[in-house]
Order: sequence, then C-alpha cells, then structure tokens
Amino acid sequence: DIQMTQSPSTLSASVGDRVTITCRASHSVNTWLAWYRQKPGKAPELLILEASNVASGVPSRFTGSGSGTEFTLTISNLQPDDFATYYCQQYNAYPRTFGGGTRVEIK
Amino acid sequence: QVQVVQSGAEVKKPGASVKISCEASGYAFTNHYIQWVRQAPGLGLEWMGIVNPDSGTTSYAQNFQDRVTMTTDTSARTVYMELRSLRLEDTAVYYCARGRSGGNSRSPLDIWGQGTMVTVSS
Repeated sequence: DIQMTQSPSTLSASVGDRVTITCRASHSVNTWLAWYRQKPGKAPELLILEASNVASGVPSRFTGSGSGTEFTLTISNLQPDDFATYYCQQYNAYPRTFGGGTRVEIK
Repeated sequence: QVQVVQSGAEVKKPGASVKISCEASGYAFTNHYIQWVRQAPGLGLEWMGIVNPDSGTTSYAQNFQDRVTMTTDTSARTVYMELRSLRLEDTAVYYCARGRSGGNSRSPLDIWGQGTMVTVSS
C-alpha cells in the first residue's frame, strides 16, 4: 500500500495568513493526488485534483503543487471558512489512501 | 442537481451486518465509479473500496476484503455497501462518493453523500 504522510498534523493561523500543508507518498503517485477540505460534521469537499488543478467552484486562494512523492497545498489569504481539516489522497494505485489530515485552527 | 444520498443511521450489535444505500441522481449513473470511505469518531478518512456501477466490478481494501460487499442496482440508480461481522471498532460515519471522471476509476471524489453513522454497541 502507498502510505501518505501529511505535515503538520495541526497548524495555527489567523485570517489573512498564507499556510502550506505538505503530503508525502511512500511511492510515486505521479500527479494522481487530490486535496480535500472537511468542515466539522460535514463530508469532505474536493479542492485540488491531479496535484495542481483547482476543482470547479473552488476559490483561487487554493493552490496545489508537486509530483511523484512530494506535494503541497497552499492557502493564501486564509478565510474563516478555511478553518477545517485537510486531507490528501492518492488515486494512482489501489488501495486509494488518504493522509492522516491537517487541522487548521484559529491562532 | 448532481447528488448522492445515503440511507439513515444504524445501530447494530457486534457480529451483525449493516447494509447502507447510496442513491445517485442528476448524472449518468453507470458512467461514474462509486467509492466508499469511512471515518471513525475523531479520526481520519479510511478508504474501503470502489465499485463500477456499470459492470459491478469491485476492488476492496485489504482491511475489509473478507467482510465487505459492494453491489449496484442500476434500475434504482443505487449502490449498496454491506459490512458483515461488525466489531465495536466499526463504529464510524460511512460515506459514498462519486469518482469525478466518467468511465475512469483513477479519479478523485467530487460528489459525496451526507454520511451514514453506524454505531456498533452491545
């Protein structure tokens, strides 16, 4: 199985900040990587697909980059809606695997 | 409106089975794979498996291989996930989600159900 490791596990930030979350894969997933945001009590929402493509309807403050085994999600100008938990997921191989999550909390 | 709607919460005893439904609407049902993901209380997302609603072909995570079955009723536009021999640690919210790319299993999940809470308790 491909292991996905996210860091940090928790991140404290303020509205307007720029934050970066890292996701590392134990084996190359090419660019078959997605990022999701999950608000408390809600289902995850797709933010980024194929490592760097912003999903339809997602604000441009979300950007993704990387390929192979190292990926980043950057959120510019953090908004109140963005205080949530973020997950990466590889969809290159079975089983599809998720990172452990990064909780973005209010400083 | 493109959506998938899941069945309601369940309470089961250890050793029992649960079957959750996931009804799709607003898109070509057989064109998009459906995947199942669960989330135990306070924990992260765990991928369970995938089903092709057109062919019925499945692939399951090793952790669930012996206990899970995912099936499709195309006339009802519904996918089902049955988990057997339930354990206390199966208590979780179970999500179905649609693969974004039509006809391609290598796809992120763009439409999620609302989640079904399954509580396993003696």
